[in-house]
Amino acid sequence: EVQLLESGGDLEQPGGSLRLSCAASGFTITPHAMTWVRQAPGRGLEWVSSISSNGDSTYYADSVKGRFTISRDNSKNTLYLHMNSLGAEDTALYHCAKGLRLGFDNWGQGTLVTVSS
Amino acid sequence: DIQMTQSPSSLSASVGDRVTIACQASQDITNYLTWYQQKPGKAPKLLIYDASNLETGVPSRFSGSGSGTDFTFTISSLLPEDIATYYCQQYHDLPLTFGGGTKVEIK
Repeated sequence: EVQLLESGGDLEQPGGSLRLSCAASGFTITPHAMTWVRQAPGRGLEWVSSISSNGDSTYYADSVKGRFTISRDNSKNTLYLHMNSLGAEDTALYHCAKGLRLGFDNWGQGTLVTVSS
Repeated sequence: DIQMTQSPSSLSASVGDRVTIACQASQDITNYLTWYQQKPGKAPKLLIYDASNLETGVPSRFSGSGSGTDFTFTISSLLPEDIATYYCQQYHDLPLTFGGGTKVEIK
């Protein structure tokens, strides 16, 4: 069974940092672009960042550019999101998803990031 | 950035009704559009890609159409398990953008 399991979400103070992880099982992430999408409480979906299959190309929403870094370790079948300079606007459920073009055909349940003092 | 406008933002329909949701892009995205279903407390699920192609395993009562800037998502006969919020998303250009969502409820 294809599964994506996010972890690393926490309550963090403004200006703080977090690292999210997304462990894949039931398939190998190696040939696939991977993506992070977030959803603020009671709100819609917002694309955050994507990374190419080999990690050479990364893409970011303007709202996180310069603060967030996406990376992957294909040997560990894991996707990461390093988040710095967190603000209240980053409070959301962060989902990882398989794909970039043609839509995201597998999603994790998400990990909750709360930024508050 | 390409803006995606969905309408209505919510609707209430009876079991067996035909339900239609519209999605309009702020510029031509050819057919680079997907539709997702998100049930409460669950992750989104891909239903349709390339505007009209049904994802494997998705029931045939779901369909999509359109190209350019105007797209439609249809549930031909609403079932109780279709209660969810539905989102369109364009992948013509970065940043990828989603519509605001349409919450479907049973009357």
